[in-house]
Amino acid sequence: DTEVTQTPKHLVMGMTNKKSLKCEQHMGHRAMYWYKQKAKKPPELMFVYSYEKLSINESVPSRFSPECPNSSLLNLHLHALQPEDSALYLCASSQSGAVYTDTQYFGPGTRLTVL
Amino acid sequence: QKEVEQNSGPLSVPEGAIASLNCTYSDRVSQSFFWYRQYSGKSPELIMSIYSNGDKEDGRFTAQLNKASQYVSLLIRDSQPSDSATYLCAVNQAGTALIFGKGTTLSVSS
Repeated sequence: DTEVTQTPKHLVMGMTNKKSLKCEQHMGHRAMYWYKQKAKKPPELMFVYSYEKLSINESVPSRFSPECPNSSLLNLHLHALQPEDSALYLCASSQSGAVYTDTQYFGPGTRLTVL
Repeated sequence: QKEVEQNSGPLSVPEGAIASLNCTYSDRVSQSFFWYRQYSGKSPELIMSIYSNGDKEDGRFTAQLNKASQYVSLLIRDSQPSDSATYLCAVNQAGTALIFGKGTTLSVSS
């Protein structure tokens, strides 16, 4: 089983709202990732958690705040977003937390629209 | 700057033909190579991973890796209309993030 789940599937929010995206995996993977993907572009890495600790932050604006409450769960808290933040937000996980050569498995994504 | 290059396409092939997708990468010490398929509006789905030189076959898909030429390819035999999608090449080395190419759009006509 290589399933990564994400909720919600779709999210529409105003620029003053606070919302959260959730990602879950039960494969025992030790690394989890957040990506942002705009139309007709490849995924762009935002954050990497390794063994539940933030190990990579790709200079993402502070209006995006990641959280890893446990080894199976990854959240992305959103606050004061801009319309240009509208995109598909993808969560991924990989088995090893120490070496990023492992295969990354993607969840179905959350389609975010910021009005 | 580490780069992964793909021809954006579209690559158009008739049903039943072989589709050949190519990818080059700039970082010689890259260790892991992946092909993902992405349908419009959906998330990337792993097709193949390859780690050593040579060919790796899985059903209708064959990945080929040539580290000396810094080149990885994906062959799709007996292409079907359902193979129409964007194919993303991704490359990484230990301790670094996965780097994606911009993707090649494949269109298979029936």
